Amino acid sequence: DIQMTQSPSSLSASVGDRVTITCRASQGISNSLAWYHQKPGTAPKLLLYAASRLESGVPSRFTGSGSGTDYTLTIINLQPEDFATYYCQQYYGTPLTFGGGTKVEIK
Amino acid sequence: QVTLRESGPALVKPTQTLTLTCTFSGFSLSTSGMCVTWIRQPPGKALEWLALINWDDDKYYRTSLKTRLTISKDTSKNQVVLTMTSMDPVDTATYYCSRGYSSSWFFDYWGQGTLVTVSS
Repeated sequence: DIQMTQSPSSLSASVGDRVTITCRASQGISNSLAWYHQKPGTAPKLLLYAASRLESGVPSRFTGSGSGTDYTLTIINLQPEDFATYYCQQYYGTPLTFGGGTKVEIK
Repeated sequence: QVTLRESGPALVKPTQTLTLTCTFSGFSLSTSGMCVTWIRQPPGKALEWLALINWDDDKYYRTSLKTRLTISKDTSKNQVVLTMTSMDPVDTATYYCSRGYSSSWFFDYWGQGTLVTVSS
């Protein structure tokens, strides 16, 4: 199974900040990576797929990058609605696997 | 408009079999390229992928649960059913179904989830 390691597990930030979350796969996944965020009590929401493609309706302050085993989600100009837990997911192969999550909290 | 809704028991006893149904609308699992998956989330923990069924009836399972899981579809009813045998308290979680694409298994629409508690 491909292991997905996310870091950090949590961070504190302020509105307007730039935030970076990293996801490392245990083997190369050829950009087959999606990012989701989840607010308490709600289902996850797709933000990006194919490592850098923005899902329809998602604000452009969310960007994704990376290749091989290392991928990054960056949020510029953090907004109040962005405080949530973020997950990466590889879909290079089955079994599909998620990262452990990164909780973005208000500083 | 794509929607998915999970249904099933809120409480099951240890050793029992859990049956969950995902009822969806706005797409068809008989359409080439579609898939539906089940993902769970224990309280306070990360997402765990469980199983996936493609439009062509190909099925995939989480390695550690492969012997306990069965996924099936009824295209006439727009439903996907997940059964999990030998339930244990560690299986207590919110169970989600979601839609994806069989060419790229990321998931763009999700149900609201259903909390299943395993307790005697």
